[in-house]
Amino acid sequence: GAVVSQHPSWVICKSGTSVKIECRSLDFQATTMFWYRQFPKQSLMLMATSNEGSKATYEQGVEKDKFLINHASLTLSTLTVTSAHPEDSSFYICSARLNTRDTGELFFGEGSRLTVL
Amino acid sequence: DQQVKQNSPSLSVQEGRISILNCDYTNSMFDYFLWYKKYPAEGPTFLISISSIKDKNEDGRFTVFLNKSAKHLSLHIVPSQPGDSAVYFCAASWNNFNKFYFGSGTKLNVKP
Repeated sequence: GAVVSQHPSWVICKSGTSVKIECRSLDFQATTMFWYRQFPKQSLMLMATSNEGSKATYEQGVEKDKFLINHASLTLSTLTVTSAHPEDSSFYICSARLNTRDTGELFFGEGSRLTVL
Repeated sequence: DQQVKQNSPSLSVQEGRISILNCDYTNSMFDYFLWYKKYPAEGPTFLISISSIKDKNEDGRFTVFLNKSAKHLSLHIVPSQPGDSAVYFCAASWNNFNKFYFGSGTKLNVKP
């Protein structure tokens, strides 16, 4: 199946710093990628839809200035958590959908665990 | 407001028996449903899906049932194997897969 790679898998940062998480589709092109956040024992919460070459579409309640998303190429989307605070600590997962398949199947990255001290 | 719900956080089943995982949704616009399996420290992997025009889809040991009137879907695993132990998420989509919404997951433990 298609491969989506996320980096870093785990990052610890100090409060007030910014952290960038990369999401790459390794063997396919993805015009659309999705960013999710998962709190312990809770569902994957859709944060935003990342569209190549255009602005991301954010879900209600997600601060676009806090979570900057850039989808500069068909294989790379980045999520930058700006001025991170301890409440931003979470598991962030990206996913991408194969454009050529009409199944709606999403391929997920390995996830990135962010810990803000 | 959670549009996709999995009310059972965990399920324990004996090896060889049937595992039934349930999922409910509230948005009648959803027209495509998927099940994902997730191991710790890994991203979810696709398991099986169903379109709203069907009420059943089968793939090997895995069968998904959809009851649109009840806004309910279920995943049946028969026979269950210890390797099936994982967290299972159901997901729903609409508008040509523009968005996907996930349930909170059910942790399945298959005992040898």
